[in-house]
Amino acid sequence: TQLLEQSPQFLSIQEGENLTVYCNSSSVFSSLQWYRQEPGEGPVLLVTVVTGGEVKKLKRLTFQFGDARKDSSLHITAAQPGDTGLYLCAGDETGFQKLVFGTGTRLLVSP
Amino acid sequence: DAGITQSPRHKVTETGTPVTLRCHQTENHRYMYWYRQDPGHGLRLIHYSYGVKDTDKGEVSDGYSVSRSKTEDFLLTLESATSSQTSVYFCAIREGGANTDTQYFGPGTRLTVL
Repeated sequence: TQLLEQSPQFLSIQEGENLTVYCNSSSVFSSLQWYRQEPGEGPVLLVTVVTGGEVKKLKRLTFQFGDARKDSSLHITAAQPGDTGLYLCAGDETGFQKLVFGTGTRLLVSP
Repeated sequence: DAGITQSPRHKVTETGTPVTLRCHQTENHRYMYWYRQDPGHGLRLIHYSYGVKDTDKGEVSDGYSVSRSKTEDFLLTLESATSSQTSVYFCAIREGGANTDTQYFGPGTRLTVL
């Protein structure tokens, strides 16, 4: 059973555009993590959000955790080709770090 | 860099043969995890370990066994590989943070079962 739904699955945009990726669930998470993965490599942690309503910024990336801790979003401002990759959200439902992953959003940013 | 290495990085094997994948960490982390990644499924937890000789099953543990005889090494064994176990396998460690723990991943092992 897939607890985390990510949308969109694929996104192809031009450099300079803004985009938002969504991660939704009916489950409550004690924490939620966002990773970026490039071909042939392991996922690399971008951010962890813990508190409902929390907003974290990482340069042009803004992450928000829903008030009810069931959903999260990733917003990228002025996307660049270097942002290309697979973005994964992962939720910790139990608080014991048995993560459940979304299926990912594959982003392609063209020059 | 969480000091995680995986070996081998690529392996091709035949159905019915045993396969062991190794995850090695250099920073004495207590928790280690094995995931598999398949198109349309994301990453799914196979087994995890919370200390030497302490392991537990994850979401997709059937057909897999693990062992942890030393803190630094976590082995994943496919006793008799099947084509459905063709996948990319990732090891992860758990690291404590200011508010919560976080997992960091190794580079992965691409396994093909013919």
